[in-house]
Amino acid sequence: ETGVTQSPTHLIKTRGQQVTLRCSSQSGHNTVSWYQQALGQGPQFIFQYYREEENGRGNFPPRFSGLQFPNYSSELNVNALELDDSALYLCASSSLGNTEAFFGQGTRLTVV
Amino acid sequence: AQSVTQPDIHITVSEGASLELRCNYSYGATPYLFWYVQSPGQGLQLLLKYFSGDTLVQGIKGFEAEFKRSQSSFNLRKPSVHWSDAAEYFCAVGTGFGNEKLTFGTGTRLTIIP
Repeated sequence: ETGVTQSPTHLIKTRGQQVTLRCSSQSGHNTVSWYQQALGQGPQFIFQYYREEENGRGNFPPRFSGLQFPNYSSELNVNALELDDSALYLCASSSLGNTEAFFGQGTRLTVV
Repeated sequence: AQSVTQPDIHITVSEGASLELRCNYSYGATPYLFWYVQSPGQGLQLLLKYFSGDTLVQGIKGFEAEFKRSQSSFNLRKPSVHWSDAAEYFCAVGTGFGNEKLTFGTGTRLTIIP
């Protein structure tokens, strides 16, 4: 158990819809990163939030957006879902400058 | 930009045999290197990490890895595998302060046979 919880565990959406995924970070951590892991691939960095501000972004389009709240929990929003958005979405929390990020169990998103 | 290559997509070893998983990285500065393990349908668990200092690092579950700058490699080893080691293994390189914005390899799936 890492103390990082993600919800929901699984969900199915239709192409064109919007989805919100949630992450509760480990106590004491002020940084949250989101990753997309397609089937058979390694995780790819989407973006990171530090103290409610985006602190770096990977090669993902603007329809992928996020929020971080004062309690350091976070949301990942994806608009206009595409079939290729089907993946495991992982959240990782850490303290900026610390050497270890702790991952949640992930949310499995299926777009049909 | 940094990158990680894991040349072996799938490795099968017998229980009790030794294991080595290969990882090569590309990064212009001193890398922060990690090995993670992922069981089916699960998140990632950190096995070990290298930031600086001793190039042979020890991790959890009896794993170790050796950083070789001249070969741009960070191979993972275990002297004797257990059936519970069957999983997907990912090598990653970090930038900035180390753990942020990790770049992962495509993973190596490890199968253990009795």
